[in-house]
Amino acid sequence: EADIYQTPRYLVIGTGKKITLECSQTMGHDKMYWYQQDPGMELHLIHYSYGVNSTEKGDLSSESTVSRIRTEHFPLTLESARPSHTSQYLCASSEGRHNEQFFGPGTRLTVL
Amino acid sequence: AQSVTQLDSHVSVSEGTPVLLRCNYSSSYSPSLFWYVQHPNKGLQLLLKYTSAATLVKGINGFEAEFKKSETSFHLTKPSAHMSDAAEYFCVVSETGGFKTIFGAGTRLFVKA
Repeated sequence: EADIYQTPRYLVIGTGKKITLECSQTMGHDKMYWYQQDPGMELHLIHYSYGVNSTEKGDLSSESTVSRIRTEHFPLTLESARPSHTSQYLCASSEGRHNEQFFGPGTRLTVL
Repeated sequence: AQSVTQLDSHVSVSEGTPVLLRCNYSSSYSPSLFWYVQHPNKGLQLLLKYTSAATLVKGINGFEAEFKKSETSFHLTKPSAHMSDAAEYFCVVSETGGFKTIFGAGTRLFVKA
């Protein structure tokens, strides 16, 4: 079954730790996205990718980085986590001219 | 340029009564329009989409929306609310054939028993 996965679903870590949030999709989509969402708030695009070896920063400035070495995989890394990074991170992918996006379940990150 | 405005941040209805969530958009291009639903601690799920075919679009769980170009609106409706409809709803506009996608700020739907 075609789907999009995110791990971990929940993560609590201390300040200064390096973390990687995983996102994988089995739909063969070229476009992938990372959004940041605070509880009850709107989504903010932080990174996107048109395809392998393509990554761009989104509308919201973020200290995170991403990579796209394989079509199905789009991990997000924080080199040194801070409490201001506490949020929910949503990964999505899309294909076709209408950009219908398919979302993963999200990772809720808490930095102490 | 594109933008999307969800006119209500919160909507409260009684179970069994109609639901109306309002969305206005602006777009310099031929837009694709979507409604997504998000339940607590979950990702977004597509409810329905308009992609320049029929202007009245039917989605999952009894929801539908009508694309009105003259009013630049894409309001979401449901004839009879169910408790399980309580969630956050996002209206989204995308540039057809392009990349830019804009999310609305969201409308939280409360359903009273």
